[in-house]
Amino acid sequence: NAGVTQTPKFRILKIGQSMTLQCTQDMNHNYMYWYRQDPGMGLKLIYYSVGAGITDKGEVPNGYNVSRSTTEDFPLRLELAAPSQTSVYFCASSSGPSGYTFGSGTRLTVV
Amino acid sequence: KNEVEQSPQNLTAQEGEFITINCSYSVGISALHWLQQHPGGGIVSLFMLSSGKKKHGRLIATINIQEKHSSLHITASHPRDSAVYICAVPPFFGNEKLTFGTGTRLTIIP
Repeated sequence: NAGVTQTPKFRILKIGQSMTLQCTQDMNHNYMYWYRQDPGMGLKLIYYSVGAGITDKGEVPNGYNVSRSTTEDFPLRLELAAPSQTSVYFCASSSGPSGYTFGSGTRLTVV
Repeated sequence: KNEVEQSPQNLTAQEGEFITINCSYSVGISALHWLQQHPGGGIVSLFMLSSGKKKHGRLIATINIQEKHSSLHITASHPRDSAVYICAVPPFFGNEKLTFGTGTRLTIIP
């Protein structure tokens, strides 16, 4: 089992550029999440999904978009990157009793 | 919204010491998660527990639902245990969005 796979691991963007962070899980989990973690801070929820075709905003959704066309994939789109989006991004999935599984993270720098 | 507090925020100990990290929350929950994050690394789920105690190797997690409190213990601590430990709770009903504690930064000195 690969668990939750995130790509890329590192990325440098220029202000105003766009990119998509990929997230795939192979555990057939219904719930998927995107979090960001700023230096020295806790995790903040950006978007989450309770199943294919269903997404909802978390605490800090501005500047991001998501889609969930399949159970496995939950990509996060950054439009018009800003320095405030410099962070480490974690994708996660869960399914009740099995608990949470996190991806290894994407370290994004916007310059 | 559940308020999750962890203590201590920072903890430095000598190798071999017994470690205790505490987590308190304000609203009743169905389960509590303990997570581990090594410096610059990913996040690993250590435990999910809804009652009593769970043990995995040198790590022990306990929860008291009535007192809204959980503890994470590490026996015979080792430098490789140095990490940030985070407790997190989902809402009692509904989806599984977690509310995270601020984390405890543990440093074990050889």
